[in-house]
Amino acid sequence: AQSVTQLDSQVPVFEEAPVELRCNYSSSVSVYLFWYVQYPNQGLQLLLKYLSGSTLVKGINGFEAEFNKSQTSFHLRKPSVHISDTAEYFCAVSEVNAGNMLTFGGGTRLMVKP
Amino acid sequence: DGGITQSPKYLFRKEGQNVTLSCEQNLNHDAMYWYRQDPGQGLRLIYYSQIVNDFQKGDIAEGYSVSREKKESFPLTVTSAQKNPTAFYLCASSLRPDSSYNEQFFGPGTRLTVL
Repeated sequence: AQSVTQLDSQVPVFEEAPVELRCNYSSSVSVYLFWYVQYPNQGLQLLLKYLSGSTLVKGINGFEAEFNKSQTSFHLRKPSVHISDTAEYFCAVSEVNAGNMLTFGGGTRLMVKP
Repeated sequence: DGGITQSPKYLFRKEGQNVTLSCEQNLNHDAMYWYRQDPGQGLRLIYYSQIVNDFQKGDIAEGYSVSREKKESFPLTVTSAQKNPTAFYLCASSLRPDSSYNEQFFGPGTRLTVL
């Protein structure tokens, strides 16, 4: 069975600073990887996904992530954050040929300060 | 507009009462899912259904029940057997799983509070 670990439960950062949200996964088979964003009291919105191909994936709102198979990581980065990026971010994994089933990490709350 | 609707947005329940959360989608998706979200634990799968009249237990199905009588609807009942039902509940849907990955789309959620 797969698992996902988000190493930081909260990440405070000043506006316009860069940020990295860390995600590590464990699986015995090939996986697809995802980052979702959740604004307060709302559902989840897909930021980006890695299915195959280039290991550097670009998503919406200026975010990007890099798949590192040897380190089983999929860290999310943004070079300059805005106040509006304040939200909870979830990393998720789906095993290939596992029928769309997602396993989520515990989430990281990004707090952007002025 | 195509999407997933969940109602109500906020729900209060007394201990010992059953309550049903609604989830409707007009995306023509075959598969639907229910997740529970607690602080610091991410989302955990309660039940899922890949086709009408069929559903499967997820990781934390105890104390919950579902039905899938229509493609568009996948209601979740939180029964009195669920020991700690206060949580944020999210519904999702996707195309039927096949050889490729089909994205799950999420509804806005229902926050259930047991008084």
